[in-house]
Formats: sequence, structure tokens, C-alpha cells
Amino acid sequence: GNSVTQMEGPVTLSEEAFLTINCTYTATGYPSLFWYVQYPGEGLQLLLKATKADDKGSNKGFEATYRKETTSFHLEKGSVQVSDSAVYFCALSNSISSNTGKLIFGQGTTLQVKP
Amino acid sequence: GAVVSQHPSWVICKSGTSVKIECRSLDFQATTMFWYRQFPKQSLMLMATSNEGSKATYEQGVEKDKFLINHASLTLSTLTVTSAHPEDSSFYICSAALNEQFFGPGTRLTVL
Repeated sequence: GNSVTQMEGPVTLSEEAFLTINCTYTATGYPSLFWYVQYPGEGLQLLLKATKADDKGSNKGFEATYRKETTSFHLEKGSVQVSDSAVYFCALSNSISSNTGKLIFGQGTTLQVKP
Repeated sequence: GAVVSQHPSWVICKSGTSVKIECRSLDFQATTMFWYRQFPKQSLMLMATSNEGSKATYEQGVEKDKFLINHASLTLSTLTVTSAHPEDSSFYICSAALNEQFFGPGTRLTVL
């Protein structure tokens, strides 16, 4: 069945460091891929998404490229800030949009950014 | 942006009692809402899909008589954990669908 695997956290970085959070997936067909972020005390928010191979999703300085050949969707940011401290979830869906398709999540990666 | 609330944010109950969790879309109408369960350091697992005015669709392995879902209006879905036991202790998260899924902040249930 479909599944998502994320690197285990927590990831602790200093401000302005480069961030990579690895995500790989197993799926039949051509899923859409998502990154969600959960700030303390808040609900998950869609950070970015990609719906087909080689698409790059980007938002708030974060990027992720849909790599079908390596079944990966790694999250990157060139210079993290303290305000980026949160839990990040990688997810997939067999629907282009997340509103109708079943979302399958990774286990989440906690990012802590220190000043 | 679209806002989804959950109430209560945390609840502690005795074994054998029932607990109701509410999920509301505050500024939009949602014909479809989703209920998830999250164990510590694990991913969110979809429990059921709730459609307004019809019966919920449960994922394999989720007991529909244990986890009662009602979606009586376009802005409210409820999850009732019936005859709760300690193994039901978990973090329950709902989402409401518009052009994407918008998530509530979650409800921490602890069953003693």
C-alpha cells in the first residue's frame, strides 16, 4: 500500500543554517505530494505541494521537488529562522488536491532552530 | 485563511464513559470533514471521512460503533468515543475540506 517515510527528528539547527528534511514515498500510480507544517498549539497548515514528477513546490523560502526516479520529496530551506521551529509532515494523496483524496502522512519531523 | 476549531482541546475521562469532540469550520462551509488519530511520535492516521447529511465512511480497522461520527451541518462534525478505554487515549485531529484540507488544532483525550 501507499506509505510515506520521513527522517526522524528532532532536527536542531542554528539560525541561518541550511535545512533538509528527507521524505520518501511508496505509492501506486502518480500521487500528489505535500508538506504540512504544524506550529505549537495550531493545526496543520499546507506549506507546499507538487502534483507531478519534476514539479517544484515552494512557499515561504521552502522548496521541495517531486522526484519520481528516487520516490522522494525532500524539504529544503536555504536559511532557517527561529520562527520556522515546528513539526513538518510529508504526505501523499492519489488526488491532485488534498480536499477530496485520502492523505497519507509521514510521522513528522520536529525542527528546532536556535538563535 | 480558512479556520477550523476543535472543542475541547483536551479532555480527561474515566474508563467506560463517552466523550464527544466537536469540529467546526468557522468561516466556510464544508461538505466533507475528516477525522484523524495521532499516536505519540507517529503519523496521523485517517479514521473516517464525514459527509454532511450522510453516513461517515470508516477506514479499515476503525470500529464505527466505537467512534460515532455525526455531520449534521455544513460547519459542524462531531466524533463521539463511546465507552472509552485507556487504549483510546490519543490525539484526535479533524480537517474540513474546501479547496484543500484545513486542519483543527487537535484534541488530547486521556482515558483513566
